[in-house]
Amino acid sequence: DGGITQSPKYLFRKEGQNVTLSCEQNLNHDAMYWYRQDPGQGLRLIYYSQIVNDFQKGDIAEGYSVSREKKESFPLTVTSAQKNPTAFYLCASGQDRDMNTEAFFGQGTRLTVV
Amino acid sequence: AQTVTQSQPEMSVQEAETVTLSCTYDTSENNYYLFWYKQPPSRQMILVIRQEAYKQQNATENRFSVNFQKAAKSFSLKISDSQLGDTAMYFCAFMKRARDDKIIFGKGTRLHILP
Repeated sequence: DGGITQSPKYLFRKEGQNVTLSCEQNLNHDAMYWYRQDPGQGLRLIYYSQIVNDFQKGDIAEGYSVSREKKESFPLTVTSAQKNPTAFYLCASGQDRDMNTEAFFGQGTRLTVV
Repeated sequence: AQTVTQSQPEMSVQEAETVTLSCTYDTSENNYYLFWYKQPPSRQMILVIRQEAYKQQNATENRFSVNFQKAAKSFSLKISDSQLGDTAMYFCAFMKRARDDKIIFGKGTRLHILP
């Protein structure tokens, strides 16, 4: 089945460690997105990518990094520079070549830094 | 920059009633998409309905319909005959119809359907 997969579902890390969240899609979508969700904040955009080997910062990119080496994959690294990394992270993909678009979401990763 | 505002942080209605969730947005663009997403307790984001700005007709999906007022930049969601399974967070979202743009979300409305 086509879809978007995030892994792992739950992730625990010690403070000061970098951690990478996985996001894979087999929908042949050009665009991929990473959002962070905190209570009362809605979804805030971290990074997005419209094409392989290119990505743009969102509203809260500081302390995060991404890569887009393959169309299907858009991993997010939460670095030690991120001051408050504990959150729910959502990956999404969307937008085909005809610009017919809606975002399809993964199931999310709950990151807890202790 | 585009913004999306949902003015109702939380709402409660009785089962079988009709409820309307509000959304306003700010943009200078003329060609764009608007979305309503549902996030149940499982936290899986599900697309409820989509509206293309160049279409005057309001989108409808079964019990879900929108009232799209382009001049007023308003995009409300109406849920008819509400069901317990409609209990969720609802997010309004905006996207320009352009290859280099991103999807912007409001802060959400938490909807409780009461038995």
